[in-house]
Amino acid sequence: DVKVTQSSRYLVKRTGEKVFLECVQDMDHENMFWYRQDPGLGLRLIYFSYDVKMKEKGDIPEGYSVSREKKERFSLILESASTNQTSMYLCASSVGLAGGRSSYEQYFGPGTRLTVT
Amino acid sequence: KNQVEQSPQSLIILEGKNCTLQCNYTVSPFSNLRWYKQDTGRGPVSLTIMTFSENTKSNGRYTATLDADTKQSSLHITASQLSDSASYICVVSGYSGTYKYIFGTGTRLKVLA
Repeated sequence: DVKVTQSSRYLVKRTGEKVFLECVQDMDHENMFWYRQDPGLGLRLIYFSYDVKMKEKGDIPEGYSVSREKKERFSLILESASTNQTSMYLCASSVGLAGGRSSYEQYFGPGTRLTVT
Repeated sequence: KNQVEQSPQSLIILEGKNCTLQCNYTVSPFSNLRWYKQDTGRGPVSLTIMTFSENTKSNGRYTATLDADTKQSSLHITASQLSDSASYICVVSGYSGTYKYIFGTGTRLKVLA
């Protein structure tokens, strides 16, 4: 079974803090994704990566950055957390070809509920 | 504009009853459509995936249908159980330079004893 794990289930941070959310997958998937999920809105893509050290902006990248130094690990960074970044953050991975040209199934982690006060 | 709309937003049914959730999409070009189940506080888990040529797919008590002509899909749950209480999310993927996953906002289902 594919396993996607996220470093924290719940996180509380103060405005202005730098926040790291970690995601690890154990299936050697090429593609990894970070989404946020808010009530009444569908999952919105923040960033995705189709290979080590490769990244592409999603629909809402402002205020976020990512890092993928190893194939199994994809980190989301909030450089200076703000209250409007309070949300559920979901990481996903999928098999993929180079350049993200894949519609293979995405496997999701359990999510990190981040609260910024 | 690529969109996925789900209805109803929420639904309450009694245990043992059947229900049908709807998904309409305007994603083009179309690659495939997935239904996910998301328990409260958890990540989504795949139920079914359907390509253009498939019009029905079952997974236990879950049956998904797809009409690619009208761009509609439905998820039918038979003999509902308390554990079916969750959000059900329709996701359509399509390719235009790179693959995009377009998520619906989900239907929140509550099954009562």
